Amino acid sequence: NAGVMQNPRHLVRRRGQEARLRCSPMKGHSHVYWYRQLPEEGLKFMVYLQKENIIDESGMPKERFSAEFPKEGPSILRIQQVVRGDSAAYFCASSPSRDNSPLHFGNGTRLTVT
Amino acid sequence: SQKIEQNSEALNIQEGKTATLTCNYTNYSPAYLQWYRQDPGRGPVFLLLIRENEKEKRKERLKVTFDTTLKQSLFHITASQPADSATYLCALGNFNKFYFGSGTKLNVKP
Repeated sequence: NAGVMQNPRHLVRRRGQEARLRCSPMKGHSHVYWYRQLPEEGLKFMVYLQKENIIDESGMPKERFSAEFPKEGPSILRIQQVVRGDSAAYFCASSPSRDNSPLHFGNGTRLTVT
Repeated sequence: SQKIEQNSEALNIQEGKTATLTCNYTNYSPAYLQWYRQDPGRGPVFLLLIRENEKEKRKERLKVTFDTTLKQSLFHITASQPADSATYLCALGNFNKFYFGSGTKLNVKP
């Protein structure tokens, strides 16, 4: 009965490198969300995906950020050419449907850009 | 754009007392409101959901109220315990778009 799995837990990248964050939703969940959290701040919505589709990416920067949730495999949040301002905790959550179901969160990936 | 406000100052209370946390919002009409608990270094964990047509919801020692006129939700923990110490987040949503407050840190002292 595994929960939402995110990896890596910690990721260090130099400015200009790429960061790939992975999220495996709970079994049976086809809806995935990515949130970003800065210290002492709330969770900021980034993107909502279903299998093979991006439903809402209104919270994701237009440049350098992309997300996918392929038919097979985990959801990936990709940040190209990282900058120091990208340093944050990135949380993934999943839900079984779009009927206001509670979100099940992973324990996040903490990205540090040096 | 929508704004969700939670008291940024930590709430310190004595064990056994009732903790009351506040969530206020503007520029939004959510269909429902959720409360989550977050411990340091961990992801949020869902606690309770209350819909716009519900005034109050209870679960064990937890109680949530939802006043759509005041645009406010109150979250109560009765008979608080040191293990209740954590940050509590409120989240507002319509369908699958969830907006989170910045959370209030609760410290329950033995």
